[in-house]
Amino acid sequence: NAGVTQTPKFQVLKTGQSMTLQCAQDMNHEYMSWYRQDPGMGLRLIHYSVGAGITDQGEVPNGYNVSRSTTEDFPLRLLSAAPSQTSVYFCASRRTRDEPYEQYFGPGTRLTVT
Amino acid sequence: EDKVVQSPLSLVVHEGDTVTLNCSYEVTNFRSLLWYKQEKKAPTFLFMLTSSGIEKKSGRLSSILDKKELFSILNITATQTGDSAVYLCAVEVNNNDMRFGAGTRLTVKP
Repeated sequence: NAGVTQTPKFQVLKTGQSMTLQCAQDMNHEYMSWYRQDPGMGLRLIHYSVGAGITDQGEVPNGYNVSRSTTEDFPLRLLSAAPSQTSVYFCASRRTRDEPYEQYFGPGTRLTVT
Repeated sequence: EDKVVQSPLSLVVHEGDTVTLNCSYEVTNFRSLLWYKQEKKAPTFLFMLTSSGIEKKSGRLSSILDKKELFSILNITATQTGDSAVYLCAVEVNNNDMRFGAGTRLTVKP
């Protein structure tokens, strides 16, 4: 079991560029989510998915898109990067929406937008 | 607006000391409160609390929730350098959303 994997680990983008952060889990979890972590602000939920084909917005969705075509993968797309999106991004998964204690986080992607 | 506030923001202690970390919350639809430990990378789960007054314990760590006063504490006794980390408190506000506090950075000196 690899758990939750994220690629890349580090990325530098110029303002206006787009990119996709990859997230995959091999635990057959229904629920997956993306968070960003900024200094002094804790983790904030960007988007989440309760199953393949179903996604919804979290607390800070603007500037990001997601899709969930398979149970395993949940990519996060930055449409037009802005310096305000400089952050550490964590993908997380859990078996169902009702088991927050079984939430596993990926190792994170550190994104810098210049 | 849902809010989770942790205090102190940072703490430096020496090995063997006992520490208490605080988490207070104001949310509209409380379901559970969770504590995580974050070392260099991803947060790892410590405790989940749903009922007031019931202490959860794991080794030298323990936690309790007070739903009347809207807070939780995380205690670590006989601290070790390996306890150095950021401790995050999160409140599950519905089935799909968790609101995190900013974290408490604990440094344990030898």
